[in-house]
Amino acid sequence: GESVGLHLPTLSVQEGDNSIINCAYSNSASDYFIWYKQESGKGPQFIIDIRSNMDKRQGQRVTVLLNKTVKHLSLQIAATQPGDSAVYFCAESQSGGSYIPTFGRGTSLIVHP
Amino acid sequence: DAMVIQNPRYQVTQFGKPVTLSCSQTLNHNVMYWYQQKSSQAPKLLFHYYDKDFNNEADTPDNFQSRRPNTSFCFLDIRSPGLGDAAMYLCATSRGVSDTQYFGPGTRLTVL
Repeated sequence: GESVGLHLPTLSVQEGDNSIINCAYSNSASDYFIWYKQESGKGPQFIIDIRSNMDKRQGQRVTVLLNKTVKHLSLQIAATQPGDSAVYFCAESQSGGSYIPTFGRGTSLIVHP
Repeated sequence: DAMVIQNPRYQVTQFGKPVTLSCSQTLNHNVMYWYQQKSSQAPKLLFHYYDKDFNNEADTPDNFQSRRPNTSFCFLDIRSPGLGDAAMYLCATSRGVSDTQYFGPGTRLTVL
């Protein structure tokens, strides 16, 4: 079936480096994508989202890029901090309908001081 | 201020002893969800309510039930917990079914 997946289960970076977390999706009908951050022992927290009419969206220190041609999106975190250490999930959905966002597998980001 | 509240944060129960987890929201969202999340895995949707309409996922065991007495509250009942039901249980809400979900802090369930 169609699914959302992540390439790397664990990403280790040094404090201050930029981090890139990747996500592949296979449902060509998906037009809404969400990134969540989940810290240990807590629920997922919304970070940023993007709709398919955009290929880039920026937030505070985070940027999401969407490449619809290859069905790929990424989350870029600038100047990664120890507080960014968490598991990051992408989720894909179809807006305007009854489609519940589907979570990908998750990537664990470890930031070394 | 907390928008999605889950109680208790930690719950210990015995094998086979019924347990109820609660969730409340201050967002006035139409949709409420229950997810099960095991270590190093993505949240797994158990069921959701759109207003009062209950929607069960096909692979959710009958052991799991839910109630939504009003817009603000939703409960997860596990009738006979097994060791395999030990997990984090997450409640989430959204305005519409395909909209961004807002998660509570979760309840960590331990089954002895």
